[in-house]
Amino acid sequence: DTEVTQTPKHLVMGMTNKKSLKCEQHMGHRAMYWYKQKAKKPPELMFVYSYEKLSINESVPSRFSPECPNSSLLNLHLHALQPEDSALYLCASSQEDRYYEQYFGPGTRLTVT
Amino acid sequence: GENVEQHPSTLSVQEGDSAVIKCTYSDSASNYFPWYKQELGKGPQLIIDIRSNVGEKKDQRIAVTLNKTAKHFSLHITETQPEDSAVYFCAATSYNNNDMRFGAGTRLTVKP
Repeated sequence: DTEVTQTPKHLVMGMTNKKSLKCEQHMGHRAMYWYKQKAKKPPELMFVYSYEKLSINESVPSRFSPECPNSSLLNLHLHALQPEDSALYLCASSQEDRYYEQYFGPGTRLTVT
Repeated sequence: GENVEQHPSTLSVQEGDSAVIKCTYSDSASNYFPWYKQELGKGPQLIIDIRSNVGEKKDQRIAVTLNKTAKHFSLHITETQPEDSAVYFCAATSYNNNDMRFGAGTRLTVKP
């Protein structure tokens, strides 16, 4: 299984809502990543988890809260988002000693109204 | 930190022609250079990569070249097909760094 899955595929939420994005992989990878991608732009790194511990937080606002419950799952909790947070949110994973070989999921298209 | 520049931003070719996308990087410590293909509505897919100890790598119709001295690397697609139409991203990182930097992307259109 070489797949990273993400749910939901699409999400529309109001600025006062609380929602969560989910990511799952069964490749035995111990590093997992959240990226944000705006239209016609490259992915931008948000968070990195290594062995279920947060190792990189690229100065992301606290309205984004990541969680790694186990080595196969990665969540991104969303609260009080702004319209400018609308984007494609991508999850990726890699082996812990091969950070450079990252496998991406299909993304969640988030719209904040 | 690493800065990756990618050109052109858009590229349109006729089916069967070749396509070349070029990237430059700034950090001499970078030693791994992947290329991703992103189709509409999908996440980026790793299609080929090259490491700093190699000058060229080929996989069927796709080839990558690396010039470490000049800090630039390129993606070459031969005999292009309509299904090659997508956005292509180059990236640069190092083996001990889990922060990968992407180029701005190239939208490739292959006209049948």
